[in-house]
Amino acid sequence: AQKVTQAQTEISVVEKEDVTLDCVYETRDTTYYLFWYKQPPSGELVFLIRRNSFDEQNEISGRYSWNFQKSTSSFNFTITASQVVDSAVYFCALSEASETSGSRLTFGEGTQLTVNP
Amino acid sequence: DTEVTQTPKHLVMGMTNKKSLKCEQHMGHRAMYWYKQKAKKPPELMFVYSYEKLSINESVPSRFSPECPNSSLLNLHLHALQPEDSALYLCASSPRLGVAGANVLTFGAGSRLTVL
Repeated sequence: AQKVTQAQTEISVVEKEDVTLDCVYETRDTTYYLFWYKQPPSGELVFLIRRNSFDEQNEISGRYSWNFQKSTSSFNFTITASQVVDSAVYFCALSEASETSGSRLTFGEGTQLTVNP
Repeated sequence: DTEVTQTPKHLVMGMTNKKSLKCEQHMGHRAMYWYKQKAKKPPELMFVYSYEKLSINESVPSRFSPECPNSSLLNLHLHALQPEDSALYLCASSPRLGVAGANVLTFGAGSRLTVL
């Protein structure tokens, strides 16, 4: 069975601090996809990134960066120089690579990030 | 502006009422989803439609009845709900059901349902 663990329930930082959100996953599949979604107070989940299990390159997008390490089954997310607008719940998710199961996202419990001015 | 539009944003209903939640997308996506999200919890998958056919039903009680009248619209009909059904109901879509890039979901802002 698949499982995603986000051990940090809540994180509070001061603006301009760097912050890392941890994500650890479990799966028996060799092919799978990992995601990060952001859920601001408005409610909709906003897609941030998708990685497949064969692509371990780290990725940087502006102030966001992701560190994927298969050896430790982790897919951590770092926000550099955090801003108040980054305050949201962040979900890490995992999906299998099959025709129907690919639609089933296994979400972690989420991390509530609060960035204080 | 979100590309998946959900109405109403808020709904309060009694346990004997019949109501519907609506979802619309114009991105040409052929897979559409209903998720339920309780407070401080991750979304839980309820239903998936692929090419207007129900593809996945995650053992959802029959008081929730989905409908996909065309490729752009998805409804969730509600009848005889319980207070524990109060939650945020999220609609999502993806280009199609399946692998390799097809399963990046675009979510709507949700309909917040309160059952009295």
